[in-house]
Amino acid sequence: GAGVSQSPRYKVAKRGQDVALRCDPISGHVSLFWYQQALGQGPEFLTYFQNEAQLDKSGLPSDRFFAERPEGSVSTLKIQRTQQEDSAVYLCASSFHNSQPQHFGDGTRLSIL
Amino acid sequence: GQQVMQIPQYQHVQEGEDFTTYCNSSTTLSNIQWYKQRPGGHPVFLIQLVKSGEVKKQKRLTFQFGEAKKNSSLHITATQTTDVGTYFCAGPSDSNYQLIWGAGTKLIIKP
Repeated sequence: GAGVSQSPRYKVAKRGQDVALRCDPISGHVSLFWYQQALGQGPEFLTYFQNEAQLDKSGLPSDRFFAERPEGSVSTLKIQRTQQEDSAVYLCASSFHNSQPQHFGDGTRLSIL
Repeated sequence: GQQVMQIPQYQHVQEGEDFTTYCNSSTTLSNIQWYKQRPGGHPVFLIQLVKSGEVKKQKRLTFQFGEAKKNSSLHITATQTTDVGTYFCAGPSDSNYQLIWGAGTKLIIKP
């Protein structure tokens, strides 16, 4: 497609469940970023991929968060044993190259009950 | 660590008034980017400034990059309801692959 696609748009899960969020970046974009955005706040960096390599995961809040991009295109952000504080919008962005303008998906709004 | 500060956090204006948001980096930036996020939406790239002292215009929006490449501003002339949203600045990190984001300035049009 023409833009970054994320699915699902909305996800409701019970505390303790595992969730998986998908991001399909713009074709040809080398860089892929995951962000967490709380209500009324700016995007908070989670992790970065250059092709299939995860070069920075310093923003992941805990070892319950895991991201992968095995073939250098689609990426999945997995959260295990979800907690209420994981409730947020998770944004995926891609760019052609490092530090170039980022193109965002619509995000996944995750609500943990 | 490297920081990008953005002020004000909120600005309430009457429709037709001007709006300005300011961005300051703790380090010199190779470029600065501006994004707009509408309520309920995702950040959308507006513009990138690269040169020292650069000024770019997009209709009623004027973007400036400071001479020292550490600060930037976005000015909107005669705001309209379509301008409502949060405006973010972002600059490359020292590692040059990650963007450091300002906290955003929320433009609110008074009823």
